[in-house]
Amino acid sequence: DIVMTQSPDSLAVSLGERATLNCKSSQSVLSTSDSLNYLAWFQQKPGQPPKMLMYWASSRQAGVPDRISGSGSGTDFTLTISNLQAEDVAVYYCQQYYSIPTFGQGTKVEIK
Amino acid sequence: ELQLVESGGGLVQPGGSLRLSCVGSGFSFGDAWLSWVRQAPGKGLEWVANINSNGGEERYLGSVKGRFSISRDNAKKSVFLQMNSLRAEDSAVYYCATGWGLDHWGQGTLVTVSS
Repeated sequence: DIVMTQSPDSLAVSLGERATLNCKSSQSVLSTSDSLNYLAWFQQKPGQPPKMLMYWASSRQAGVPDRISGSGSGTDFTLTISNLQAEDVAVYYCQQYYSIPTFGQGTKVEIK
Repeated sequence: ELQLVESGGGLVQPGGSLRLSCVGSGFSFGDAWLSWVRQAPGKGLEWVANINSNGGEERYLGSVKGRFSISRDNAKKSVFLQMNSLRAEDSAVYYCATGWGLDHWGQGTLVTVSS
C-alpha cells in the first residue's frame, strides 16, 4: 500500500495569512499513461464528513474558493490556503487514489 | 443535488454482525464506483472497501478481508456493507462515498463494538 505522510501535524496561522500544508507519498502517484497525479485533498470540520477540495492534485472542486490551491507532482504535494479565514479552521487530509485509496494522518489548521 | 444517506449502525457485541446500507440520489448511481470509509473516534480516515459499477469487482482493506463484504443493488440505488466477526477496533463512523477518488460523502453511521 502507498503510505501518505503529512506535515506538519498542526499549524496555527493568523487571519489573512497563508497556510502551507505538505503531503508526501511513499511512491509516485503520477500515472505515466495519462500524466495525472492521483492525489486529492479533503477538508473536515468537527462533526461533519470530509469534503473534497482538490483532485488530480491541482483541480479545484466546484464551489471551493480560489484562495485554496494545490500543487506538486510525483511524490510531493502542497495545499496552500491564502488569506486564511475563520471558516478554514479544520483538519485537512491528503489521499492518493493511484491504487487502493490511502490517506495521510491529517493536518489541523487553527487560528493564531 | 447529490445525496448519500447511510443507516444500520449501532451497538454490537464483539463477534457480532451488522449490515450497513447507503442510499444514493442525484447522480447516475449505476455508473459509479462506491466506497465505504471509516473514522474511529478522534482518529483519521481509513478506506474500508469499494465496488465497481456493476458489482463485479470488489476491493478490501487487509484487516477486514474475509470479515466484511460489500455489495450493491443498482435498482434500489443502494450499497451495503455486511460486517461479521466484529472487533472493538472496528468501532467508527462509517461513511459511504462515490467514485474511486471519494468525491462525495454521506453523513455517516456510527458503529460501536463493545460488550
